[in-house]
Amino acid sequence: DAGVIQSPRHEVTEMGQEVTLRCKPISGHDYLFWYRQTMMRGLELLIYFNNNVPIDDSGMPEDRFSAKMPNASFSTLKIQPSEPRDSAVYFCASSARLAGAGTDTQYFGPGTRLTVL
Amino acid sequence: AQKITQTQPGMFVQEKEAVTLDCTYDTSDQSYGLFWYKQPSSGEMIFLIYQGSYDEQNATEGRYSLNFQKARKSANLVISASQLGDSAMYFCAMREWGSARQLTFGSGTQLTVLP
Repeated sequence: DAGVIQSPRHEVTEMGQEVTLRCKPISGHDYLFWYRQTMMRGLELLIYFNNNVPIDDSGMPEDRFSAKMPNASFSTLKIQPSEPRDSAVYFCASSARLAGAGTDTQYFGPGTRLTVL
Repeated sequence: AQKITQTQPGMFVQEKEAVTLDCTYDTSDQSYGLFWYKQPSSGEMIFLIYQGSYDEQNATEGRYSLNFQKARKSANLVISASQLGDSAMYFCAMREWGSARQLTFGSGTQLTVLP
C-alpha cells in the first residue's frame, strides 16, 4: 500500500507569494495531521482533521496559514502571503481511529521542504 | 514544562554494538502511548516502535526494543547490533489519550554509528 504522499517535495518561493502544500493520506485513515519542523522549534502540530473536519487548529501560527480537507483523500495547507520565517519542512501524517486505548500510530509523508526567499 | 525530554543531543556507537537512547516523559494521564520515530538525513519520519501505558511487557520490533519503566516515566529505545544505516535522528513522542490526538515530540537524539 502507498504511504502518505506529499507534494511538492521541495518548494522555493519569494516572500509574498502564495504557497500550497498537498497531502494524500493513507487510504482508510480518518485522521490527518499537519506538522512543521524547524531547527528552533522542532516538530510542532499545526492542525489536524478527523473525517475531513478540522478538530484543532490552535497550532496554526497566524491567519496567513489555512488548511482544508475537501475529501478523505486530499488535504492542502496554504500560506498566503509567505514570509521567510515560514521556511521549514512541513509534514503531513495520517492515522486510523482504533477502539479503546490502542495504538493509533501516525504515519508521516516524506515532507515538503519550503524555502521562502 | 517539557512533556518529552531527550537529554542526549548526540550519541556515537560502534557498529554491531547495542545503544540506548534515553527518553523521559511527563503526564498526569493514566492512558497514553509512547512512540519512537527515526529521521534519516533524507528527511522522512519513520515509525519504529510503540508502547502503551497499560502494556505490561516491553515492546519489541526486530532490533528495536523499548525499555519502559512506568514509575520512572522513562521509555528508552534500545537498538541492538547497530548498523551503519541506523545513523539518523531519533525522536521520542507521546500521545495522551485524554486530550487531543496530537503527538508531542522530544528534541531528538542524533545517533552516529561508527564502522
